[in-house]
Amino acid sequence: DVKVTQSSRYLVKRTGEKVFLECVQDMDHENMFWYRQDPGLGLRLIYFSYDVKMKEKGDIPEGYSVSREKKERFSLILESASTNQTSMYLCASWGEGYEQYFGPGTRLTVT
Amino acid sequence: AQKVTQAQTEISVVEKEDVTLDCVYETRDTTYYLFWYKQPPSGELVFLIRRNSFDEQNEISGRYSWNFQKSTSSFNFTITASQVVDSAVYFCALSELTGNQFYFGTGTSLTVIP
Repeated sequence: DVKVTQSSRYLVKRTGEKVFLECVQDMDHENMFWYRQDPGLGLRLIYFSYDVKMKEKGDIPEGYSVSREKKERFSLILESASTNQTSMYLCASWGEGYEQYFGPGTRLTVT
Repeated sequence: AQKVTQAQTEISVVEKEDVTLDCVYETRDTTYYLFWYKQPPSGELVFLIRRNSFDEQNEISGRYSWNFQKSTSSFNFTITASQVVDSAVYFCALSELTGNQFYFGTGTSLTVIP
């Protein structure tokens, strides 16, 4: 079974803090994604990566950066967390010809 | 532009009723994938089905069935004899064959009332 894990299910951070969300997949997938999910807005793509050290902006990259130093790990970084970044963050990976596999999500609250 | 529309924001049905969730998509690609995912209250998205644009055959899996019609750019999902465990948010999605981009609808929240 493909497994996508995320470092935390729940996270509470203060405004201005630097926040790291980690995602690891175990299926040697090339592509990995970070989404945020907000009520009424569905899933919005923040960044994706199609290879190590490669990244592409999604629909809402502002305020975020990513890092992919190893194939299995894709990190989302909030350089200076703000309250409007309170959301559910979902990581996914994709292998050729298959569906996206999602992690359990991290519910981030910025106070 | 690629786009997925799920016009139904919320649906409530009484247990054992049938329910259809609508999905309409737009794409400039001639080949693509379509998906349905279920998100129960626990939060993790669960894959339900993937359909290649070449294959317009309808599919049935137990109480679930999917109707793919390229002519109307629709990929609708029907649950027959709904159960309380079907209560969840359901997302329709579209992807390029490269897997570099996935486009999700805004989701339909289904509540099945016992």
